[in-house]
Amino acid sequence: KNEVEQSPQNLTAQEGEFITINCSYSVGISALHWLQQHPGGGIVSLFMLSSGKKKHGRLIATINIQEKHSSLHITASHPRDSAVYICAGNSGGGADGLTFGKGTHLIIQP
Amino acid sequence: GAGVSQSPSNKVTEKGKDVELRCDPISGHTALYWYRQSLGQGLEFLIYFQGNSAPDKSGLPSDRFSAERTGGSVSTLTIQRTQQEDSAVYLCASRGGGTVNNEQFFGPGTRLTVL
Repeated sequence: KNEVEQSPQNLTAQEGEFITINCSYSVGISALHWLQQHPGGGIVSLFMLSSGKKKHGRLIATINIQEKHSSLHITASHPRDSAVYICAGNSGGGADGLTFGKGTHLIIQP
Repeated sequence: GAGVSQSPSNKVTEKGKDVELRCDPISGHTALYWYRQSLGQGLEFLIYFQGNSAPDKSGLPSDRFSAERTGGSVSTLTIQRTQQEDSAVYLCASRGGGTVNNEQFFGPGTRLTVL
């Protein structure tokens, strides 16, 4: 059974701080997704990665396949980054249903 | 272009009633997923359709849950004899074909409340 563990569960930081959210996953997961959900909002896919590193604006996602670990970083954090960040994985070439972490509730204070 | 749409956005029903939730995926997307998000369980996978293949129903919590996808496009999730524990947000996602790009695009969800 695929498993995804995410930490921290809650994170409060000041505007401008560098943010790191971590995700560990089980054998069998070959693709790792980072998702964002604003309060009362829908889910937006930020990244899907199976190796290496991806960057989009102030967001960076990395994955270490050997250690089965991924991180999501936010540089120069801003209050609008406040959201729940969810790590999710799937297998079978990434073409099956996602297994989700419990999410990290991030609050960026001005 | 239009994203994934779901209807209704909110549904309140009485325990024991049947409900149907609809998902319109992104045009041309061959893969369609149903998930649910509840306070106690977080996000969980329900069912997955890929083209004309038999669906992966491994996440359906009971035989009261079923889904179909007609013509490889619109999907309907049906919950029979609803129970209070079925209250959740039901999310649909779709994905383009192939394994090169496996990003899933989520709809806004249907919030189901079973009284």
